[in-house]
Amino acid sequence: DIVMTQSPDSLAVSLGERATINCKSSQSVLYRSNNKIYLGWYQQKPGQPPKLLISWASTRESGVPDRFSGSGSGTDFTLTISSLQAEDVAVYYCQQYYTTPWTFGQGTKVEIK
Amino acid sequence: EVQLVESGGGLVHPGGSLRLSCAASGFTFSAYWMSWVRQAPGKGLEWVANIKHDGSEKYYVDSVKGRFTISRDDAKNSLYLQMSSLRAEDTAVYFCARDSSSWGSTPIDYWGQGTLVTVSS
Repeated sequence: DIVMTQSPDSLAVSLGERATINCKSSQSVLYRSNNKIYLGWYQQKPGQPPKLLISWASTRESGVPDRFSGSGSGTDFTLTISSLQAEDVAVYYCQQYYTTPWTFGQGTKVEIK
Repeated sequence: EVQLVESGGGLVHPGGSLRLSCAASGFTFSAYWMSWVRQAPGKGLEWVANIKHDGSEKYYVDSVKGRFTISRDDAKNSLYLQMSSLRAEDTAVYFCARDSSSWGSTPIDYWGQGTLVTVSS
């Protein structure tokens, strides 16, 4: 199974400041035949189901604010919130859908400092 | 509007069985892969299983293989998860989820609100 490891487990950021979450996969999730990275980022607020923010490592979903961005390649990926807003308080998960079983990172809790 | 509504959760004794259902609406259900994802209380997300749009392929996480069965009824726009030999570690909120396309290996773009399964004596 592909193991997804996120860091840090939690972080506190001041309003308007940048938040950076890292995700590392135990093997590449790049499918060379189509050059696509099978990596997504989800946001989960308390009492709610997850919401897809970023697919294919860097494609922002429709309606997702442009302060959210994804980057990375191979086995190392990053979710960046460029200017943290109060409504961004949540747990964020990375997920690989390269091969089953699909696996998620353990989650990163983002709070306001 | 895409809607996924789970039902069937509840309290069950260890070793017991339960069948979860998911009613889908607002999209062409028969065109999409569908998944079940679970979340133990206070824990992270764990993908459980998925099924191809025509039901011809099914995949499971190792911890549920041989105990859980995913199925679908496209005529009823419904997804199911038959769970048997339940264990305490199966206690979780179970989410019904839509994979974002018909061609597999895509992210999950819609989620239900979840149904809680508690396995306890």
